[in-house]
Amino acid sequence: GDSVTQMEGPVTLSEEAFLTINCTYTATGYPSLFWYVQYPGEGLQLLLKATKADDKGSNKGFEATYRKETTSFHLEKGSVQVSDSAVYFCALSDLRGSYIPTFGRGTSLIVHP
Amino acid sequence: GAGVSQSPSNKVTEKGKDVELRCDPISGHTALYWYRQSLGQGLEFLIYFQGNSAPDKSGLPSDRFSAERTGGSVSTLTIQRTQQEDSAVYLCASSLVEGMNTGELFFGEGSRLTVL
Repeated sequence: GDSVTQMEGPVTLSEEAFLTINCTYTATGYPSLFWYVQYPGEGLQLLLKATKADDKGSNKGFEATYRKETTSFHLEKGSVQVSDSAVYFCALSDLRGSYIPTFGRGTSLIVHP
Repeated sequence: GAGVSQSPSNKVTEKGKDVELRCDPISGHTALYWYRQSLGQGLEFLIYFQGNSAPDKSGLPSDRFSAERTGGSVSTLTIQRTQQEDSAVYLCASSLVEGMNTGELFFGEGSRLTVL
């Protein structure tokens, strides 16, 4: 079945540092890929998405590129802020298979001033 | 409303009591999902509705858990005879599952359940 693996956290960075959170996936079909973010005390919200190979999703300075050859969708940001402290979830959705999205376990990001 | 609405936002109950959690999805969204998030854990899939029917109930942890959806809209998750291990945040999400939908989920803010 489909699965998503993302790096263990917490990831602790200083403000303005470069961020990478790794995400790899396995899927039998042609999934869409997503990053969701969960700020403290809130529900999940979509951060960015990519629907086909080589697409780049971007939002709020975050980027991720859909790499079919390496089955990866790593999240990056050039300069993190304290307000980026949150839990980040990588997910996939294959509408030609199950309609149930598959989520990674989440990676906690802590940014210090 | 414009987003997914869940109630109550917080519920404290005694072990052995029944609880009901409500989810009001975005209007027009045909798919509805329930997930559970325990402290420090990822998302645990519970159940998925397409319209009023539940094609996949495989994630329900025990027969104490049940869910229904009426009118293709509001859903209720019921936990009978609650146990302390049921303490978690219960998240509801909705989605379009037609046409050019890319599978994005829209989440509510969750219902935090504490069983004493």
